[in-house]
Amino acid sequence: QSVLIQPPSASGTPGQRVTISCSGSRSSIGSNHVYWYQQLPGTAPRRLIYNDDQRPSGVPDRFSGSKSGTSASLAISGLRSEDEADYYCVAWDDRLRGAVFGGGTKLSVL
Amino acid sequence: EVQLVESGGGLVQPGRSLRLSCAASGFTFSNYWMTWVRQAPGKGLEWVANIRQDGNEIYYVDSVKGRFTISRDNTKSSVYLQMNSLRAEDTAVYYCAGGGSYNPDFDSWGQGTLVTVSS
Repeated sequence: QSVLIQPPSASGTPGQRVTISCSGSRSSIGSNHVYWYQQLPGTAPRRLIYNDDQRPSGVPDRFSGSKSGTSASLAISGLRSEDEADYYCVAWDDRLRGAVFGGGTKLSVL
Repeated sequence: EVQLVESGGGLVQPGRSLRLSCAASGFTFSNYWMTWVRQAPGKGLEWVANIRQDGNEIYYVDSVKGRFTISRDNTKSSVYLQMNSLRAEDTAVYYCAGGGSYNPDFDSWGQGTLVTVSS
């Protein structure tokens, strides 16, 4: 079981807003920044969000991140078919002295 | 253009060794922490190890401690992962990734190299 907990799947229809949660602990999310990655089938991951809620250049503003306490969320608004992918949260864990990923959420656009 | 290219993957028997390499270009390699992340077939991402810019600070996931060694050569803009005593559960695509700190903030990724541990 992953240290960070994500729902295994999520879905929405085009144009909808979906949210993916990521639950951690005091030593991980509670003490460090959260990062989100998108992985399309057969490709390397791509950074979507850094430092909890910052968006790199080139990432559409439909993607947003937030954090509260030991949990974080990724929101995708105006859902599009090309958003169908796996999404991962990750954070440094001070107790484990290493980074920990969530198990990933497979997003389907119906 | 920022580029990370992994190499060295392949089929290896349990208990044997393999050395992965990751060659970087398009950015100042010596300014970056480098990390190895792996993904078992059909599974999620797993952080494996990272190394500071000067090579003097290193961290590993518990499951590879004592078996894997991460290293770097800034003169060659390359990071390595020496994998010893390989197990079936080490079978995965191994990605190298770069970032500005020990945090898992990776603005660049390689395409990955597949390691298969099987007899």
